[in-house]
Amino acid sequence: NAGVTQTPKFRVLKTGQSMTLLCAQDMNHEYMYWYRQDPGLGLRLIHYSVGEGTTAKGEVPDGYNVSRLKKQNFLLGLESAAPSQTSVYFCASSSGQGLEKLFFGSGTQLSVL
Amino acid sequence: AQSVTQLDSHVSVSEGTPVLLRCNYSSSYSPSLFWYVQHPNKGLQLLLKYTSAATLVKGINGFEAEFKKSETSFHLTKPSAHMSDAAEYFCVVRWIGQGNLIFGKGTKLSVKP
Repeated sequence: NAGVTQTPKFRVLKTGQSMTLLCAQDMNHEYMYWYRQDPGLGLRLIHYSVGEGTTAKGEVPDGYNVSRLKKQNFLLGLESAAPSQTSVYFCASSSGQGLEKLFFGSGTQLSVL
Repeated sequence: AQSVTQLDSHVSVSEGTPVLLRCNYSSSYSPSLFWYVQHPNKGLQLLLKYTSAATLVKGINGFEAEFKKSETSFHLTKPSAHMSDAAEYFCVVRWIGQGNLIFGKGTKLSVKP
């Protein structure tokens, strides 16, 4: 059972560089989410998707873009990385709204120098 | 505004003593409520969820939480702490009709031998 897989697990960028984080789930879930986790701030929602081809902004969307071209994949892009984007990024998926649980990936540690 | 508040950023208990992690939410509508746990360098795992079938919810690893609508609270408890319970705990809320979850800022639980 792969569940939710995030790649890469670690990355170091220089300010201004771009990169894409990939999230893949094999549970046929409709909903997918990208969060960032920072000390003392908990998890904050960056963007989410309620189905293939749809995306929506979360709490802290600035500086990030996302795409959901295939149901199983949810990509998070940083066009021009900034030190403020140093964080741990988590992808999650769920089957829909309501009381279903979230399944989380193991996280990506990103450092922007 | 809708929000979720974890009243303690850090709780320290001795092994074998009770655990109480507090969570309050602000809303005039009944939400879906969850507790997630994150062990060091791991992704988040669902502990329990409130289904509205019963106000006292039992989760994994001996944890339980009680939904109190009049107090807008969903506190997490465990009768006897174990060393393996040391982790960060997140109270999470989803309001009906919304596609995203709101995370509390987390409570770090330390367990002393």
